[in-house]
Amino acid sequence: GENVEQHPSTLSVQEGDSAVIKCTYSDSASNYFPWYKQELGKRPQLIIDIRSNVGEKKDQRIAVTLNKTAKHFSLHITETQPEDSAVYFCAASRGSYIPTFGRGTSLIVHP
Amino acid sequence: DVKVTQSSRYLVKRTGEKVFLECVQDMDHENMFWYRQDPGLGLRLIYFSYDVKMKEKGDIPEGYSVSREKKERFSLILESASTNQTSMYLCASSHGMNTQYFGPGTRLTVL
Repeated sequence: GENVEQHPSTLSVQEGDSAVIKCTYSDSASNYFPWYKQELGKRPQLIIDIRSNVGEKKDQRIAVTLNKTAKHFSLHITETQPEDSAVYFCAASRGSYIPTFGRGTSLIVHP
Repeated sequence: DVKVTQSSRYLVKRTGEKVFLECVQDMDHENMFWYRQDPGLGLRLIYFSYDVKMKEKGDIPEGYSVSREKKERFSLILESASTNQTSMYLCASSHGMNTQYFGPGTRLTVL
């Protein structure tokens, strides 16, 4: 089955810096890669996703890149703000298969 | 907006008790999921249902069972609660294997 590795497990940055979270996957047939944000005490919510026919997708300060050859995808957050502090989960899935989640990255943005 | 609700935010039970956690979604999603969330371990899939009365085991089904008698409702059952089942339980639903919509979570403590 699919295996998703996520790094780092904890990321600490200063406000205004950029943050990058990386995930690798094992199943070359995976074609859908969502990212979820979970603020403290709240439910995970989708913040951005990418499909395998696209190499990059942006939404304001967040972007996701996908390298199908190397089987990795990354979340980029620019100009970080304290409200970006949360746990971020990546996931990978294909077709009718159940998505596989990474273990999560705790992002801390210091004011 | 998709709405996924869970029957309790916090629950305290005693070892050996039978515990029911209920999840309801209002978007006619065919897929529903139960996850367990523990620090450092991410989201681990307990059970998955792709239709009424249909279920599949996830990564950690031992000690749990599920019921889906109606499309909008997916119940997680702990037949005999144990202290190692103390955790945060998250329900989710989706249409196809795309974006998952999560409930607010139930923090279960087993004494």
